[in-house]
Amino acid sequence: DAKTTQPPSMDCAEGRAANLPCNHSTISGNEYVYWYRQIHSQGPQYIIHGLKNNETNEMASLIITEDRKSSTLILPHATLRDTAVYYCIVRLFSGSARQLTFGSGTQLTVLP
Amino acid sequence: GAGVSQSPRYKVAKRGQDVALRCDPISGHVSLFWYQQALGQGPEFLTYFQNEAQLDKSGLPSDRFFAERPEGSVSTLKIQRTQQEDSAVYLCASSELAIGELFFGEGSRLTVL
Repeated sequence: DAKTTQPPSMDCAEGRAANLPCNHSTISGNEYVYWYRQIHSQGPQYIIHGLKNNETNEMASLIITEDRKSSTLILPHATLRDTAVYYCIVRLFSGSARQLTFGSGTQLTVLP
Repeated sequence: GAGVSQSPRYKVAKRGQDVALRCDPISGHVSLFWYQQALGQGPEFLTYFQNEAQLDKSGLPSDRFFAERPEGSVSTLKIQRTQQEDSAVYLCASSELAIGELFFGEGSRLTVL
């Protein structure tokens, strides 16, 4: 699976949009971009995933650049409960690759 | 249950003791994963089951680590002769399909003294 690079930490004001970047310059054509987050003392939680097109769900939006070498997770109106470590993961979508490979992630702190 | 359940949530073991950690996946989920998370680090893959078959155990750090899922539902991760470096949170995750969103439990925190 391709390696990802994320900033170690970011702050965001409550109520503002949080934009979390991720670089995955070695991504291949059949690899998806996944985002998970981990709130302190809990297990990771799935947020969103995508291949080429931008995706949106009730939690967040995922913007993938046209060359697929980077992406941005957007939390449109961050709340204090969004404080967590956010992991960007590139995952091969085939029958032979099953596990997620987590990096160090980005510690997002939402400030009141 | 509604989610992945792990027990015990906390376990303290003396060095050299054997421990067993249990995972109850979401009912009907085919795939089950074990991860190890050291303090301040991201989770690291240990092993993967599809139903009762252990298809990938490449992440198990030593032969002291053993996992099973005999009936394709509940899984147990066993660590023999625990060492201090085994201290970590052990996370279990399940998914409905071989490829799909993973649902994680809250983890079992193991402390080896």
